[in-house]
Amino acid sequence: DTGVSQNPRHKITKRGQNVTFRCDPISEHNRLYWYRQTLGQGPEFLTYFQNEAQLEKSRLLSDRFSAERPKGSFSTLEIQRTEQGDSAMYLCASSWAGTDPYGYTFGSGTRLTVV
Amino acid sequence: AQKITQTQPGMFVQEKEAVTLDCTYDTSDQSYGLFWYKQPSSGEMIFLIYQGSYDEQNATEGRYSLNFQKARKSANLVISASQLGDSAMYFCAMRPNYGGSQGNLIFGKGTKLSVKP
Repeated sequence: DTGVSQNPRHKITKRGQNVTFRCDPISEHNRLYWYRQTLGQGPEFLTYFQNEAQLEKSRLLSDRFSAERPKGSFSTLEIQRTEQGDSAMYLCASSWAGTDPYGYTFGSGTRLTVV
Repeated sequence: AQKITQTQPGMFVQEKEAVTLDCTYDTSDQSYGLFWYKQPSSGEMIFLIYQGSYDEQNATEGRYSLNFQKARKSANLVISASQLGDSAMYFCAMRPNYGGSQGNLIFGKGTKLSVKP
């Protein structure tokens, strides 16, 4: 297994455009998380899935944000009508919902710059 | 509200010396987990060490140890024998073990560690 993969690594977009990021988790992991990290801050939780069900969404996840995880495998995070405040690193993590406390594996993130 | 506080924005340490990175947390939960992650400039969050709230012994993983003081709600990371490759951002995080937010990590703002040769 190659770990959690995120694509693209970097994305520059003009304000108002839509962007979509993809996360491929570790195959045996049933939980998938999205976090956002702005400069000088720790990651902030956005949403998470258990299998294909989206179980929780943060209030940070405005109506312009939508996440999916069809078939409980890869996930996509779409931002519509991007704003400059959306510029951040978007991190994906996966885990096995069980007793393993070490189970979070993070990807290298997608850095979004909105110009 | 659950919160992680890391009061040291930046720290310097001489190579081969030990360093302590501070972390305090706020929660009313009885069952929770505490994590430390390292984030190099490449961006990936690398798991370092875990401490469960009911673990009586402090966790250790190689050169990393967690000084867990439950009554003080602190979970400081100690790195022994610092190496140049330890230069990175370090984040303390907490995970509630019950309730609707179980599984989600709450992060502090991080401490930037610089190891001097």
